[in-house]
Amino acid sequence: AAGVIQSPRHLIKEKRETATLKCYPIPRHDTVYWYQQGPGQDPQFLISFYEKMQSDKGSIPDRFSAQQFSDYHSELNMSSLELGDSALYFCASSSDRDNEKLFFGSGTQLSVL
Amino acid sequence: GIQVEQSPPDLILQEGANSTLRCNFSDSVNNLQWFHQNPWGQLINLFYIPSGTKQNGRLSATTVATERYSLLYISSSQTTDSGVYFCAVGGSLYGQNFVFGPGTRLSVLP
Repeated sequence: AAGVIQSPRHLIKEKRETATLKCYPIPRHDTVYWYQQGPGQDPQFLISFYEKMQSDKGSIPDRFSAQQFSDYHSELNMSSLELGDSALYFCASSSDRDNEKLFFGSGTQLSVL
Repeated sequence: GIQVEQSPPDLILQEGANSTLRCNFSDSVNNLQWFHQNPWGQLINLFYIPSGTKQNGRLSATTVATERYSLLYISSSQTTDSGVYFCAVGGSLYGQNFVFGPGTRLSVLP
C-alpha cells in the first residue's frame, strides 16, 4: 500500500538560508499535517490542511509557510533558518473516512549549521 | 489547550517481560491514537482507540474515556519493541491537529 512520501530525507543548510520540504500524502487522504520534532522531544504540531485549505495552525514561526497544491502534495517553506530549526520534520496524512488515523512519512532531518 | 501526560517516562525491561504504559489527558476526546517511534525515527500507528479495548498480536490498548486515560499493554516484549511510545489526542474536534504526549522510552534488553 502507498505510504506518505517525504523528500528530501536529509537536508543541511546554513543559517539564514531557505529550505523547502515536500510531502506526498496517501492517495485519497483529505488532511495533511506537518509536525516538528526536536531531539528527545515529542512531535509538535505546525500546520494542517483539509482538502487543500489551511485548517489549523500550531506553533509555526512566521518564517515558515506551507501550502497544499491541486495534486494534494504539500510543501513546507522555511526561510531565514536558525540553528534552533534543526529538527526532524514529519508530514502525516489522514482520512475522515478512516477515523482520522494518522500515517506518518519517514521525515526530513534538517540540520542548520 | 488539551494536556497529555504519559508515564513512566522511561522503562527498561528484559526480553519476555510484560509492561503497561499510561496516557492521561485533560479533556474529553473523540480521537486517541498510540504510536511507536522506532530507533530509526519512524512513527508507526499502533492503535486508533478513543474508547474500549483492542488487541493486535502482543499489543493491546484500553481507553476509559470517562476517566480520561488510556493504557498500552506490551506482552512478551522483544528487543524490536524498543523505542518511544507516544499517545496523541485530538482530531477535528480540536481544530485539525493532534497533541502528542511526551512519550515513554522503552528499552528491551536481550
